[in-house]
Amino acid sequence: AQSVTQLDSQVPVFEEAPVELRCNYSSSVSVYLFWYVQYPNQGLQLLLKYLSGSTLVKGINGFEAEFNKSQTSFHLRKPSVHISDTAEYFCAVSSYNQGGKLIFGQGTELSVKP
Amino acid sequence: EPEVTQTPSHQVTQMGQEVILRCVPISNHLYFYWYRQILGQKVEFLVSFYNNEISEKSEIFDDQFSVERPDGSNFTLKIRSTKLEDSAMYFCASRGDGRNSPLHFGNGTRLTVT
Repeated sequence: AQSVTQLDSQVPVFEEAPVELRCNYSSSVSVYLFWYVQYPNQGLQLLLKYLSGSTLVKGINGFEAEFNKSQTSFHLRKPSVHISDTAEYFCAVSSYNQGGKLIFGQGTELSVKP
Repeated sequence: EPEVTQTPSHQVTQMGQEVILRCVPISNHLYFYWYRQILGQKVEFLVSFYNNEISEKSEIFDDQFSVERPDGSNFTLKIRSTKLEDSAMYFCASRGDGRNSPLHFGNGTRLTVT
């Protein structure tokens, strides 16, 4: 079985500062990794995904994430955040043989302050 | 860009009543899912559906829950006799063929059981 741990439930940062949202996973099989964003009162929007190949993946809105197999991590980063990045961010994992079912982490609330 | 649409956006019902949450997945998608998010908690998998049958369901998805694809476009989640603890945001998702196709989520239906 897979599990996902997001180590920080809340991350407050100032506008234009860099941010890293941490995600660790556990799985006995190879996985696909995802980050989703949830803006207030909206659904889940895919930010980026790691399927294979390059361990550094770039997504929408200037976000990127790096897959580290030895540390079983998939941390999300942005070099300079905007007020509009304020949202809940979810890391998720699915395995090759699970028909696309996603297992989500607890979520990290990113709060960007002016 | 095609979207997953869910109706209604907010449903209020009394304990013991039946509710049906409706979803229109992206038209050429083949795999369908329901997730729920209790306020302040993580997004949890409920059920996956493929080829007109349930392919996997979680422990949450007990006999009170059922899913149906009544026609070529709709995908519904029915809760037969709602309980207070069923209050949550319910998300529908769909994906296309291929192991690495990402899930596309709707904006959710907020169910409030009083």
